[in-house]
Amino acid sequence: AQSVAQPEDQVNVAEGNPLTVKCTYSVSGNPYLFWYVQYPNRGLQFLLKYITGDNLVKGSYGFEAEFNKSQTSFHLKKPSALVSDSALYFCASGGTGFQKLVFGTGTRLLVSP
Amino acid sequence: KAGVTQTPRYLIKTRGQQVTLSCSPISGHRSVSWYQQTPGQGLQFLFEYFSETQRNKGNFPGRFSGRQFSNSRSEMNVSTLELGDSALYLCASSLGGYETQYFGPGTRLLVL
Repeated sequence: AQSVAQPEDQVNVAEGNPLTVKCTYSVSGNPYLFWYVQYPNRGLQFLLKYITGDNLVKGSYGFEAEFNKSQTSFHLKKPSALVSDSALYFCASGGTGFQKLVFGTGTRLLVSP
Repeated sequence: KAGVTQTPRYLIKTRGQQVTLSCSPISGHRSVSWYQQTPGQGLQFLFEYFSETQRNKGNFPGRFSGRQFSNSRSEMNVSTLELGDSALYLCASSLGGYETQYFGPGTRLLVL
């Protein structure tokens, strides 16, 4: 069975500072990993994905994620946070049945001015 | 291209009733997946349809069903509603295979 864990319910960061939102995974076979963001009363917006290839994946709005196979992690990063980045972030795994996403519990990111 | 659209956006029903939610995928997308989002259980996969066939199914009771039409539009139905069915229901579409899923704004269902 596949699973995704987001160990932090909330991450607080000051505007302009780097941010990291953590994700670890447990899948059998090749991991297919995603990050989505959800703003209040909205659906999920796709940020980036790892299928294969480079361990550093670049995505939308200046976000990037680092795939680490030995640590089974896929942390989301951004060099300089914006107040507008404040939202709920979800890590997900595609695993077997690729279109059947398994989501983490979500991490609320709060960027203060 | 227009994004994924879901109707209605908000719905209030009473226990025992049934409800049908609709999802129109991005043009050209043949895969449509449905997810339930609740504060307690988080985001959970309901089912996926591709070319009118259900390919994957999550761990939900038979009261939850869906279908897909030849134009790739999809509907999900929940019969005999329970209070615990109150949730945000999200639809996502993709080209299938290893392609990314793009989500609609969701339908918020409140069961009283």
